[in-house]
Amino acid sequence: AQSVTQPDIHITVSEGASLELRCNYSYGATPYLFWYVQSPGQGLQLLLKYFSGDTLVQGIKGFEAEFKRSQSSFNLRKPSVHWSDAAEYFCAVGDGVRSGNTPLVFGKGTRLSVIA
Amino acid sequence: DAGVIQSPRHEVTEMGQEVTLRCKPISGHNSLFWYRQTMMRGLELLIYFNNNVPIDDSGMPEDRFSAKMPNASFSTLKIQPSEPRDSAVYFCASSSRTSGSLSVKTGELFFGEGSRLTVL
Repeated sequence: AQSVTQPDIHITVSEGASLELRCNYSYGATPYLFWYVQSPGQGLQLLLKYFSGDTLVQGIKGFEAEFKRSQSSFNLRKPSVHWSDAAEYFCAVGDGVRSGNTPLVFGKGTRLSVIA
Repeated sequence: DAGVIQSPRHEVTEMGQEVTLRCKPISGHNSLFWYRQTMMRGLELLIYFNNNVPIDDSGMPEDRFSAKMPNASFSTLKIQPSEPRDSAVYFCASSSRTSGSLSVKTGELFFGEGSRLTVL
């Protein structure tokens, strides 16, 4: 069965500092990997996704993530954090082999706080 | 384009009452997912439909929960009777993996803004 681990429940960074949020997944074949962001009281918005090709993926709002198969990781990075990036971040894995629509499995999320 | 639309956004009810949550997926999407979000358990899949047919309801907590998708543009999640432990945010999401470009076929989910349920 697929699973996703986000080891950090809460991270606090200073505005302008760099950010890395960790994500490890468990999946037997080629996964499709996603990062979503959730602002308070809102739904989840897709930041970026990996499904094939270049293992460094660029997303919206200046985020990027790198797929490392050997480490089963898909860490999210941003070189300079803005106060508006404070939110909950979710990593998710999907089935890259089966055809047809299947659900994504989500990690428990990492809450990001940004201080001045 | 309209996204996934959920109603109501907030619902406060008393234990034992029936609750119905509604979802309109994005037009043209052929899969719909109901997730529940709580602090303790995170995002849990309750049930999902492909082409209006329920595929996997193993995440539905118990018989008090039921979901229907009578047509491609509407789904309901019903709790009867409701209990305080059902308090959570319920999300509906849709996707379209079986048609469109390869990028679309990755199974990206599009989420509604959620229905926050409080059972007193």
